[in-house]
Amino acid sequence: EAQVTQNPRYLITVTGKKLTVTCSQNMNHEYMSWYRQDPGLGLRQIYYSMNVEVTDKGDVPEGYKVSRKEKRNFPLILESPSPNQTSLYFCASRGGWTGELFFGEGSRLTVL
Amino acid sequence: GIQVEQSPPDLILQEGANSTLRCNFSDSVNNLQWFHQNPWGQLINLFYIPSGTKQNGRLSATTVATERYSLLYISSSQTTDSGVYFCAPPSGSGGSNYKLTFGKGTLLTVNP
Repeated sequence: EAQVTQNPRYLITVTGKKLTVTCSQNMNHEYMSWYRQDPGLGLRQIYYSMNVEVTDKGDVPEGYKVSRKEKRNFPLILESPSPNQTSLYFCASRGGWTGELFFGEGSRLTVL
Repeated sequence: GIQVEQSPPDLILQEGANSTLRCNFSDSVNNLQWFHQNPWGQLINLFYIPSGTKQNGRLSATTVATERYSLLYISSSQTTDSGVYFCAPPSGSGGSNYKLTFGKGTLLTVNP
């Protein structure tokens, strides 16, 4: 089954404690992307990757890092989380320029 | 960056009714995507539409890029159509599809 898998789905953590949200896709897609969703602000793009070792900033990259060492994985790293990073995070992947964007189920992160 | 405005922000329908959702954007684009987020948070790509009209069952979408708007039509609505509908034009340089800017969405509620 084609899918994008995110982990963890839910996480409560404290300010400053480094964390990683993993994202994995099994469709051999070149393009992957991270979004955060906040009430009243909609979905905003954090980072995206066009292929292995090729990443670029979206609209809200501050406080986040990403890496793309393998085609299937695109982890989102919060080196020193802060309460303003409390949000619902989505990972997505796409096979081609016009292909369907497949989303993961979302990861709800709370930073205290 | 590109500005995206969706209307109406909220819409309540009785099952079986038709509706039109609108997406206005500030810059010329060469494509636009529509997404549906169901009440459980799952995001689904509905349409990738460069221009003209596309249809998928009871849903269809029309983009008039020269006039900077897109419309999503839902006919014979069902309770399963409930959720938030987002439009997302590209916001990368040269109309790159790697960066997307999402509108704030239209919350649709279909009552039985």
